[in-house]
Amino acid sequence: GAVVSQHPSRVICKSGTSVKIECRSLDFQATTMFWYRQFPKQSLMLMATSNEGSKATYEQGVEKDKFLINHASLTLSTLTVTSAHPEDSSFYICSARAPTQVTSGGPSDTQYFGPGTRLTVL
Amino acid sequence: GQNIDQPTEMTATEGAIVQINCTYQTSGFNGLFWYQQHAGEAPTFLSYNVLDGLEEKGRFSSFLSRSKGYSYLLLKELQMKDSASYLCAVMDSNYQLIWGAGTKLIIKP
Repeated sequence: GAVVSQHPSRVICKSGTSVKIECRSLDFQATTMFWYRQFPKQSLMLMATSNEGSKATYEQGVEKDKFLINHASLTLSTLTVTSAHPEDSSFYICSARAPTQVTSGGPSDTQYFGPGTRLTVL
Repeated sequence: GQNIDQPTEMTATEGAIVQINCTYQTSGFNGLFWYQQHAGEAPTFLSYNVLDGLEEKGRFSSFLSRSKGYSYLLLKELQMKDSASYLCAVMDSNYQLIWGAGTKLIIKP
């Protein structure tokens, strides 16, 4: 249990284009999903918290108009990087918070991560 | 402010034991998590502690002392595949995860 998928796993795009990344909880419903960005050799940086049916909460310094988040259902959240630039190149990882214990050894509220999306903007 | 401290890098020998420490100062405490992250991959959940004491799970154990704001992850019988970064994260009073920078563990034969 507690499987989170992310698509695409890797994307290369031209500067100025928009890229959509999907995050799905496959075997549980996630009222809350998180979007992280991780630059090489650095720790995870929380970008925003996505709550189903309401607007996402963005961390300080993250442009909400550039990183559009939609949490349309209990199993799907999307992150759209609009007008991407080379400095947006990074590893984007989503996680979903399991509302109940869905796997042995994992307490309630554990975040389970998707496999990540490596974005390269040329 | 909120702060999680863990060593940047550690080296250990295959078959040995290594302890990765984590100290924290957060606004509230609702549990401490350890995650493993291999290079180029997303983190995977290892352990969770909310009460003081030791939680053992196979070769991995995690310890917590809330009064000291301290945790450690103990890895026994190290294998080459254990080479990874180990992330300590604390859930604060708002149920948000505060992340440490991670400890890169290098296993040598």
